[in-house]
Amino acid sequence: NAGVTQTPKFRVLKTGQSMTLLCAQDMNHEYMYWYRQDPGMGLRLIHYSVGEGTTAKGEVPDGYNVSRLKKQNFLLGLESAAPSQTSVYFCASSRGLPTYEQYFGPGTRLTVT
Amino acid sequence: GENVEQHPSTLSVQEGDSAVIKCTYSDSASNYFPWYKQELGKRPQLIIDIRSNVGEKKDQRIAVTLNKTAKHFSLHITETQPEDSAVYFCAAGPLGKLQFGAGTQVVVTP
Repeated sequence: NAGVTQTPKFRVLKTGQSMTLLCAQDMNHEYMYWYRQDPGMGLRLIHYSVGEGTTAKGEVPDGYNVSRLKKQNFLLGLESAAPSQTSVYFCASSRGLPTYEQYFGPGTRLTVT
Repeated sequence: GENVEQHPSTLSVQEGDSAVIKCTYSDSASNYFPWYKQELGKRPQLIIDIRSNVGEKKDQRIAVTLNKTAKHFSLHITETQPEDSAVYFCAAGPLGKLQFGAGTQVVVTP
């Protein structure tokens, strides 16, 4: 099993450009999450999904949109990138009750200039 | 919402000594408290977790304690080794909405 994978690994955007980050998991997990990690701030939840076709806002959702059209995929979109969105983005998944453990992907380093 | 505070932000220990990291949380509804280890440039990986109906859990050199009344939980690493050097994150929340602490940089010196 590949576990949780993310594409791309690195990306540089200019302010105002758009892009989509793809997260895929092959563990048949119900729950999927998008986090951003900034120095000194830990991981902050952007959006999450509790099942195919569902999404919900996390702690820092502004400027991002998500979609979960297929159970195994969770897409994170930036419609108009801003320098404040420069960060490392991690996707994670978990099986759901009664298991709580989240498995993380390798991360995507995004720079917005 | 949940607010998780983690201390200290950096911790330097001699190899063989113990390391303790403490976290506090604010939301009484939180029922899951994991600890993640993140090495430089790598993804966070779960090292131990505890649920709200348990006060203490141990796995070899790692232990976690939870005090629900005081809303704090701690990670204890005994007999530290150089490979324990990493950033450690605590988290708290209900299923699906974890709030993470800011992290503790642990450096184990030989």
